[in-house]
Amino acid sequence: EVQLVESGGGLVQPGRSLKLSCAASGFTFSNYGMHWIRQAPTKGLEWVASISPSGGSTYYRDSVKGRFTISRDNAKSTLYLQMDSLRSEDTATYYCATDLTTRFDYWGQGVMVTVSS
Amino acid sequence: DIQMTQSPSLLSASVGDRVTINCKASQNINKYLNWYQQKLGEAPKLLIYNTNNLQTGIPSRFSGSGSGTDYTLTISSLQPEDFGTYFCFQHNSWPTFGAGTKLELK
Repeated sequence: EVQLVESGGGLVQPGRSLKLSCAASGFTFSNYGMHWIRQAPTKGLEWVASISPSGGSTYYRDSVKGRFTISRDNAKSTLYLQMDSLRSEDTATYYCATDLTTRFDYWGQGVMVTVSS
Repeated sequence: DIQMTQSPSLLSASVGDRVTINCKASQNINKYLNWYQQKLGEAPKLLIYNTNNLQTGIPSRFSGSGSGTDYTLTISSLQPEDFGTYFCFQHNSWPTFGAGTKLELK
């Protein structure tokens, strides 16, 4: 069974940093691209970042470029999102997702990030 | 970025009804269109991928159609567990989602 379990969320002040993790199981992690998607409270879904299976290619939405870094450790089957210079507009539930059959077919349960002073 | 315009934003229906939700892309997305269901406090669940392919384990009352810029999700006979919010999603280029359709009990 495919499982994605996010952790690392919480309350953080504007300008500070936070690192999210996503532990994967039930599939060969190193064979698949991985993604972070977020959903602000009572809002829609927004793609944040993606990483290739090897980790050699990364992609970001414009609003997080230069502030967020997606990475992966294939030996640990874990995906990361390092978030620096956080802003109030980054407040959201963050989901990790993968592409076993199609883009974003399996999602984790999500982790809440609140940026507030 | 490709904009996804989803309609209606709110849909009231009864158990047994046939319902349709529409999604219009700002340009041709070549059938790279997925549909998700989300219930309160849960992650989105994939229902349909690439316009008309039913995800494993999803009931056959869900179906999808469309091409070019216009796509539709149909639920043939609403069941109590189908109420929630539905999102369309295009992955023809940089991924973008529709704003969602909240399906509520009439």
